[in-house]
Amino acid sequence: GAGVSQSPSNKVTEKGKDVELRCDPISGHTALYWYRQSLGQGLEFLIYFQGNSAPDKSGLPSDRFSAERTGGSVSTLTIQRTQQEDSAVYLCASSLPPREQFFGPGTRLTVL
Amino acid sequence: SQQGEEDPQALSIQEGENATMNCSYKTSINNLQWYRQNSGRGLVHLILIRSNEREKHSGRLRVTLDTSKKSSSLLITASRAADTASYFCATDEANSKLTFGKGITLSVRP
Repeated sequence: GAGVSQSPSNKVTEKGKDVELRCDPISGHTALYWYRQSLGQGLEFLIYFQGNSAPDKSGLPSDRFSAERTGGSVSTLTIQRTQQEDSAVYLCASSLPPREQFFGPGTRLTVL
Repeated sequence: SQQGEEDPQALSIQEGENATMNCSYKTSINNLQWYRQNSGRGLVHLILIRSNEREKHSGRLRVTLDTSKKSSSLLITASRAADTASYFCATDEANSKLTFGKGITLSVRP
């Protein structure tokens, strides 16, 4: 079956612009997670959805970051007023807890 | 914040040899997972071991978990050039988010 998909695969934006990153989880997976990976910080948790609600947003680095999930499926991560330090690979994963998380290919965000 | 700490940071071996990677963590966990990453993109799930398990096998992979020492090891037997990748351990404390270590870079020389 189809795995986790993410779009776009690459995004280049100018500092100060808003960006939206999309994640399509594996069908039937109730949990969805966003992580980001950067050279300096490694792999960091951002936010976790169970269904459409987000019981854990503790990893969002600032209020410029927000995410939503609709219909228990697709999720969008929005970064407002992007900064250069937001440059990273943003990874989405889904799972049927307590089972393993399956990751998408990621979106590489570059903020100029 | 980092939970898992992998050891060594980098490992270079000859094809056919075994590769052993270690991970230590700090808090109680529900499970520990190992992932592989090629070319800095998507993570491929390798194996999950639960806190009440001590050892699991999957093909050429063998994972152990010692909750008293808060440590895990990943053994890849009969390594191949295609095993060259970064390997991460990740801990799950509450059947939710994963906390990753910094990763181990494995190079398998043909």
